[in-house]
Amino acid sequence: DTGVSQDPRHKITKRGQNVTFRCDPISEHNRLYWYRQTLGQGPEFLTYFQNEAQLEKSRLLSDRFSAERPKGSFSTLEIQRTEQGDSAMYLCASSLLGQSHSGNTIYFGEGSWLTVV
Amino acid sequence: AQRVTQPEKLLSVFKGAPVELKCNYSYSGSPELFWYVQYSRQRLQLLLRHISRESIKGFTADLNKGETSFHLKKPFAQEEDSAMYYCALRKYNAGNMLTFGGGTRLMVKP
Repeated sequence: DTGVSQDPRHKITKRGQNVTFRCDPISEHNRLYWYRQTLGQGPEFLTYFQNEAQLEKSRLLSDRFSAERPKGSFSTLEIQRTEQGDSAMYLCASSLLGQSHSGNTIYFGEGSWLTVV
Repeated sequence: AQRVTQPEKLLSVFKGAPVELKCNYSYSGSPELFWYVQYSRQRLQLLLRHISRESIKGFTADLNKGETSFHLKKPFAQEEDSAMYYCALRKYNAGNMLTFGGGTRLMVKP
């Protein structure tokens, strides 16, 4: 499968612990996005990278959240001092910036489920 | 700020019946509108975008700027259309954030 891959797929952690999620985008995709989705809601944008530069951050991304994409390939999303409200699906997506506007399709991974107990 | 509203959480129809999943948006500029679909146990995937003016799996959607709507339609629903459908908006040529609606679950009964 050459799609966007995320790891781990499921994570259960105790409140106050730190967690890290990894995303491997589609090869050569230069844009990478993180979204969060809670039950019964649509995905909400968190942040996005173009290559290694983090270009946009949502107000949803509190100080406890940090995302990196050090070499412009895979990305990590770390949540420090987790809270029960952080329980959600964390979705990663990628796209290729091209000349054709219609070519900028965003492809999603299967997501990482986080449960904070 | 932009907003996308899908008023129906659940839409249930019989096979062969017409389907219309509603999507309304609010945005003062020129938006790009999309429909994403998520079948059971699969990842979210693009169904269609308004710019392409295409029909995918029999589904079409027309952007109505006057009514700020982008409803998804299919004349004859099939059981395999059962899925979660999300309408999404992206500010045209001004960023890459997709704003999603809350989603509509379509159930097509035999």
